[in-house]
Amino acid sequence: GQNIDQPTEMTATEGAIVQINCTYQTSGFNGLFWYQQHAGEAPTFLSYNVLDGLEEKGRFSSFLSRSKGYSYLLLKELQMKDSASYLCAVTDSNYQLIWGAGTKLIIKP
Amino acid sequence: IAGITQAPTSQILAAGRRMTLRCTQDMRHNAMYWYRQDLGLGLRLIHYSNTAGTTGKGEVPDGYSVSRANTDDFPLTLASAVPSQTSVYFCASSDSGTSMNEQFFGPGTRLTVL
Repeated sequence: GQNIDQPTEMTATEGAIVQINCTYQTSGFNGLFWYQQHAGEAPTFLSYNVLDGLEEKGRFSSFLSRSKGYSYLLLKELQMKDSASYLCAVTDSNYQLIWGAGTKLIIKP
Repeated sequence: IAGITQAPTSQILAAGRRMTLRCTQDMRHNAMYWYRQDLGLGLRLIHYSNTAGTTGKGEVPDGYSVSRANTDDFPLTLASAVPSQTSVYFCASSDSGTSMNEQFFGPGTRLTVL
């Protein structure tokens, strides 16, 4: 079966760094997405990885290891507005997105 | 720039009633999708359309139908609503459904079936 695992909830302090992990088992792989979703709002695109390695975009970075079926999202210099859910999604062999349940990130001052 | 719009924003519906959720995009995207999002679960694909005139079933299609008469509109119909269809429904679109493409989401419709 297809499965995406990520922690349900994490807590971090404003100004700190947090790493959100995602492991996956899917039928085929055509890339991995990270989306941010604030409470009551729609998901919005953060990053996309299709090759192994680190992609950096400002305060956010995303890493992929295809051989390990593993990715992480790294958030630096945390701000209160980063409090949100972070969704990991894998594009399978049919180019459909398989979604994890999301990680709720709570930022404390 | 509107992107994707959904209507209604929220709805309370009696079980057994028919309901159509509307979705319109102005980005000329070829592919469109309907997801439901329930607490503790990931987004689950209900139906999708890779291009106008074609539709396909996703992970949880039972009790739902869609049509794609043109590029912009992708309505989702619940023929006879049941309480288990209480959820938040998101419509999304992407440039292509047959290659890697970022999906853009509408604001969602919160549906309660009593």
